[in-house]
Amino acid sequence: DGGITQSPKYLFRKEGQNVTLSCEQNLNHDAMYWYRQDPGQGLRLIYYSQIVNDFQKGDIAEGYSVSREKKESFPLTVTSAQKNPTAFYLCASSIWSGHNEQFFGPGTRLTVL
Amino acid sequence: DAKTTQPPSMDCAEGRAANLPCNHSTISGNEYVYWYRQIHSQGPQYIIHGLKNNETNEMASLIITEDRKSSTLILPHATLRDTAVYYCIVRATLDTGNQFYFGTGTSLTVIP
Repeated sequence: DGGITQSPKYLFRKEGQNVTLSCEQNLNHDAMYWYRQDPGQGLRLIYYSQIVNDFQKGDIAEGYSVSREKKESFPLTVTSAQKNPTAFYLCASSIWSGHNEQFFGPGTRLTVL
Repeated sequence: DAKTTQPPSMDCAEGRAANLPCNHSTISGNEYVYWYRQIHSQGPQYIIHGLKNNETNEMASLIITEDRKSSTLILPHATLRDTAVYYCIVRATLDTGNQFYFGTGTSLTVIP
């Protein structure tokens, strides 16, 4: 089955630790995205990548980093510089960045203690 | 990208049609209207999109006014599984630079 996987579903970390969230897709999509969602709020774009080895900052990139070494993978690192890292993180992909049907993964809920 | 305005919440009786409105008065001629929904603690799911004409698929219908300043998503026979937050988004295709803005959407509750 084609789709997007995110792991783990729930993640707990101590304050001050970096943590990397996984996102993998086997849809052969060029574009991938990371969003953050806080309770009762919409999605906010953290980073997006239009193609391998390229990525751009979204609205709230501070305290986050990404890489896109492979088409299938777009991991997100939440660094200790992120002031409020506890949130629901969603990864998405689309055929290309101008194509607006985005396919979302199930999300990772990160809790920083 | 044009901004959208949606009511924060709505209720609908099970089996009845759910009509979800969206205002996008500053929409540009090349911007499409997209609808997504998000069931609690899951990733959003694409529903439908349109430019000018009304559209229908297996999930829903999209009615866009002639002046394109507003639209309505119609779920013809709402079920309990349709309880979700529904997002209305306008964006141009071929727009690789601009972001895809999800607002706070409309929280639809389908009541038995």
